[in-house]
Amino acid sequence: AQKITQTQPGMFVQEKEAVTLDCTYDTSDPSYGLFWYKQPSSGEMIFLIYQGSYDQQNATEGRYSLNFQKARKSANLVISASQLGDSAMYFCAMIGNHAGKSTFGDGTTLTVKP
Amino acid sequence: EPEVTQTPSHQVTQMGQEVILRCVPISNHLYFYWYRQILGQKVEFLVSFYNNEISEKSEIFDDQFSVERPDGSNFTLKIRSTKLEDSAMYFCASSEFENNSPLHFGNGTRLTVT
Repeated sequence: AQKITQTQPGMFVQEKEAVTLDCTYDTSDPSYGLFWYKQPSSGEMIFLIYQGSYDQQNATEGRYSLNFQKARKSANLVISASQLGDSAMYFCAMIGNHAGKSTFGDGTTLTVKP
Repeated sequence: EPEVTQTPSHQVTQMGQEVILRCVPISNHLYFYWYRQILGQKVEFLVSFYNNEISEKSEIFDDQFSVERPDGSNFTLKIRSTKLEDSAMYFCASSEFENNSPLHFGNGTRLTVT
């Protein structure tokens, strides 16, 4: 069975500072992918970044980077230079060998302060 | 950029009625999914669909639910005899590959059962 744990229900960050959102996972699948999604108050799910379990380098997409530590089973999202528009719910998710059966964490609500 | 589109964006129905939620996945994607998010809660997997049949389904996806790809573009979720607890945001998603491939979500349909 797969499990995703996001231990931070809410986070605050000052505008222009960096913030790390934690995600730990558990799976018995040898190959898996880890994703982060952003859900603004409007409700849509926006794909941010992906890390494959066999990728040697940490994924980066613009201001988003994924700090992947396989031995610790963690896949933390780092947002650099936070903007007010980054205020949203952030979900960590994992997909393993089973087609599309992604497991989502409970989410972290990020609030960026001006 | 191609996107997943869902209609309607909001649906209000009376308890016991049937609803059909519609989705148009990204055209070159082969794998389709439905997820559900009860307000303020985590995103839950319902069903995955490939090659005109269900690949996997969760325990939530009971006989009340069915999915169909009636033509080459649409992917529908039917909920028969809706219950109050079916009120949620329903997300359609698609992916290009089966494993380790980002899920691209639609904007969701907010279903309210009264």
